[in-house]
Amino acid sequence: GAVVSQHPSRVICKSGTSVKIECRSLDFQATTMFWYRQFPKQSLMLMATSNEGSKATYEQGVEKDKFLINHASLTLSTLTVTSAHPEDSSFYICSAPNMTNYGYTFGSGTRLTVV
Amino acid sequence: KNEVEQSPQNLTAQEGEFITINCSYSVGISALHWLQQHPGGGIVSLFMLSSGKKKHGRLIATINIQEKHSSLHITASHPRDSAVYICAASINTGTASKLTFGTGTRLQVTL
Repeated sequence: GAVVSQHPSRVICKSGTSVKIECRSLDFQATTMFWYRQFPKQSLMLMATSNEGSKATYEQGVEKDKFLINHASLTLSTLTVTSAHPEDSSFYICSAPNMTNYGYTFGSGTRLTVV
Repeated sequence: KNEVEQSPQNLTAQEGEFITINCSYSVGISALHWLQQHPGGGIVSLFMLSSGKKKHGRLIATINIQEKHSSLHITASHPRDSAVYICAASINTGTASKLTFGTGTRLQVTL
């Protein structure tokens, strides 16, 4: 139980285009979703926290107009990287708190490459 | 100084060895998490603990709240245990607890 499905797993896009990443909670309601970015050999960095039905909370230094987060339902949160640049190339992963013994369920991650 | 620190950063072990990864934290926490990140990037939650000890198969996690220290042990290690192990502190911010991550321990278990 408590699965978060994340798509796409890999995406290559051209500079200047936008990419949408989806995270769906399959068997539980995710009122909160955390979005992280991870550069190679580095730790996860929290980008923003989305809450169903309200505006996302962004961490310091993360541009909210560039990384658009939508959490329109209890089972779906999306992150859109707008006007992507090569420096946005990274591994993006979502995570939702749940009521299991483990506390958090992670998506499988999206490896974004901007060329 | 990071709020959550792990050691060692890298660890190589032979199959069958007993492995210990340590985590120290400097903040007040509501829980301590151990995560496993596979080479492809996927992350699996292994343990969430706020006191004492938990065991799941060959994995054991302990926490000492007074010393602000946690350990993850792997008994009878196997090459399939090769992964990055991350400890993360859950800091209650009111609405939902954020996780503060350690830098990870890269484990390689060889035959």
